[in-house]
Amino acid sequence: AQTVTQSQPEMSVQEAETVTLSCTYDTSESDYYLFWYKQPPSRQMILVIRQEAYKQQNATENRFSVNFQKAAKSFSLKISDSQLGDAAMYFCAYRSALLIQGAQKLVFGQGTRLTINP
Amino acid sequence: DSGVTQTPKHLITATGQRVTLRCSPRSGDLSVYWYQQSLDQGLQFLIQYYNGEERAKGNILERFSAQQFPDLHSELNLSSLELGDSALYFCASSVLGGSEQYFGPGTRLTVT
Repeated sequence: AQTVTQSQPEMSVQEAETVTLSCTYDTSESDYYLFWYKQPPSRQMILVIRQEAYKQQNATENRFSVNFQKAAKSFSLKISDSQLGDAAMYFCAYRSALLIQGAQKLVFGQGTRLTINP
Repeated sequence: DSGVTQTPKHLITATGQRVTLRCSPRSGDLSVYWYQQSLDQGLQFLIQYYNGEERAKGNILERFSAQQFPDLHSELNLSSLELGDSALYFCASSVLGGSEQYFGPGTRLTVT
């Protein structure tokens, strides 16, 4: 079974600075997807960024980028120019690329609470 | 707004009772997933439906059941509720094989 580990329960950063959230995962599969979801105080789960394992290029969405190290099974999220609205819980998630039954579920890490200091 | 709707937003009920949570997926999405978010267990997959058929089960208790109707909306039924069932229940939807799942706003269940 796949597992996802976020070793930083809490992180804080000064507004306008850059912060990196860590995520490692364990899988025997070669093709899969990795995601970062943001959960602000409203509790809504918002998809921040997606990475396909077969792509070597790291995904980027505006101020959000990832560092995907497939061999090391590492998937970190970098937030540049941090803004107050970035304060939230961030969850790393894994999804198999297989289309067999049961493979499409998301497996989540425990989350990292990010605080932005003004 | 993800396009996934869930009702009710909040539910407070007593132990031993039964509740039904409702989810409407995004237009065009045939797959519906249910997840439970609790303080001690984190976010866990419960069950998946695709076009009315159960497709996968996760850590779903026998006291819980779900179904997906012909109009593709889904309901999660929780019975014989216990204090430990208090949690945030999310519904998500996707196209089958689609990598991204879009989450609804969740239903917060409090069992007293």
